[in-house]
Amino acid sequence: ETGVTQTPRHLVMGMTNKKSLKCEQHLGHNAMYWYKQSAKKPLELMFVYNFKEQTENNSVPSRFSPECPNSSHLFLHLHTLQPEDSALYLCASSQEGDGTDTQYFGPGTRLTVL
Amino acid sequence: SQKIEQNSEALNIQEGKTATLTCNYTNYSPAYLQWYRQDPGRGPVFLLLIRENEKEKRKERLKVTFDTTLKQSLFHITASQPADSATYLCALVGPTDKLIFGTGTRLQVFP
Repeated sequence: ETGVTQTPRHLVMGMTNKKSLKCEQHLGHNAMYWYKQSAKKPLELMFVYNFKEQTENNSVPSRFSPECPNSSHLFLHLHTLQPEDSALYLCASSQEGDGTDTQYFGPGTRLTVL
Repeated sequence: SQKIEQNSEALNIQEGKTATLTCNYTNYSPAYLQWYRQDPGRGPVFLLLIRENEKEKRKERLKVTFDTTLKQSLFHITASQPADSATYLCALVGPTDKLIFGTGTRLQVFP
């Protein structure tokens, strides 16, 4: 489980705040992902980066802004969020970035938007 | 579009019994299907991958089957233990070559 780390583990923010989620993978993988997990819903893929290039943006609102400075680090910048954005945000990595890969997840950031 | 259906109701079984979880999909049969375990407040952990030409895959007390005719995968835990209590997620490749996850089924094993 220490292969993919996420900080912070918990975050409470107001709708006018700006915050960032950080993810780091120590597995030497080439692909990284952001997922949103809400209660009673399946994991929703938000963004995919492969070799630092964004390869998928799953119709995510612009108030979520990803950044991938290198293959090991992934950020999710948050601004002017809505209460319905409260969820568990999971980062994952995989070797190549295609659907056959096994994905390795971090512990997640529990986000609460007030 | 491809949809995955897992029983949203929790499965409660007694320790020592075999737990069987179901994953049904609605469209084309994927080449691969994966199962993950997720504990509360944690990220999913990969358990098993089964290919479309493999009818069955085993790993210790876990067994996965894949029936492309029924469009269904079954996940079995034999000799279940309270430590097996978790949510189990089924995942398969979607149209954009990315994984699509089911909502998961929560398993509760009672001593």
